[in-house]
Amino acid sequence: EVRLVESGGASIQPGGSLRLSCAASGFTFSAYNMNWVRQAPGKGLEWIAYINSDSDTIYYADSVKGRFTVSRDNAFNSVYLQMTGLRAEDTAIYYCVRDPSSLVIAINFDYWGQGALVTVSS
Amino acid sequence: SSELTQSPSVSVSPGQTASITCSGDRLADKYLSWYHQRPGQSPILVIYQNYKRPSGIPARFSVSKSGNTATLTVRGTLTTDEGFYYCQAWDTNTVLFGGGTELTVL
Repeated sequence: EVRLVESGGASIQPGGSLRLSCAASGFTFSAYNMNWVRQAPGKGLEWIAYINSDSDTIYYADSVKGRFTVSRDNAFNSVYLQMTGLRAEDTAIYYCVRDPSSLVIAINFDYWGQGALVTVSS
Repeated sequence: SSELTQSPSVSVSPGQTASITCSGDRLADKYLSWYHQRPGQSPILVIYQNYKRPSGIPARFSVSKSGNTATLTVRGTLTTDEGFYYCQAWDTNTVLFGGGTELTVL
């Protein structure tokens, strides 16, 4: 069974930093591209980061570029999201998401974690 | 940058057919996926690569594309089909999501 389990969500003050982790199991993690997608309270889905299977291709949404860093460790079946310079508008549930596509133009998200809540407030 | 536009809401009676549209520039040239999200739950993939259904998704879910508009059709709607539906595509180093359409079955 494919499982994605996020951890590291917390309440934090504006300007602070936080690192989310996602532990994957039930599939060959090193063969899949991974993403982070977030959802602000009562809002829609927003993609924020992509990392391919061997970490040599990374993309970010403009809203987080320069502040967030995605990484992965295939030896530990994990993907991470380092967040710095957090703002109130970063408050959201952060989902770790698997992409099964072999071409980035066909990217889709077939498994989602349960999400980690990040609240940025003073 | 490009956007994907969805109508905010659709309402149908149980057993009827619901149609949810997604439009955007050059959509005919993009691979489109669709997700269903029930309140308080993580999204579920219901359509990928324009027309394909993941295992476990019933044939009641189908997609048609015409020009720059795609339509997700849900036939014989059930109350469990309620929730938000999002379309998604890739566009020049970024992933686009539509704003979401709330499907109500009552």
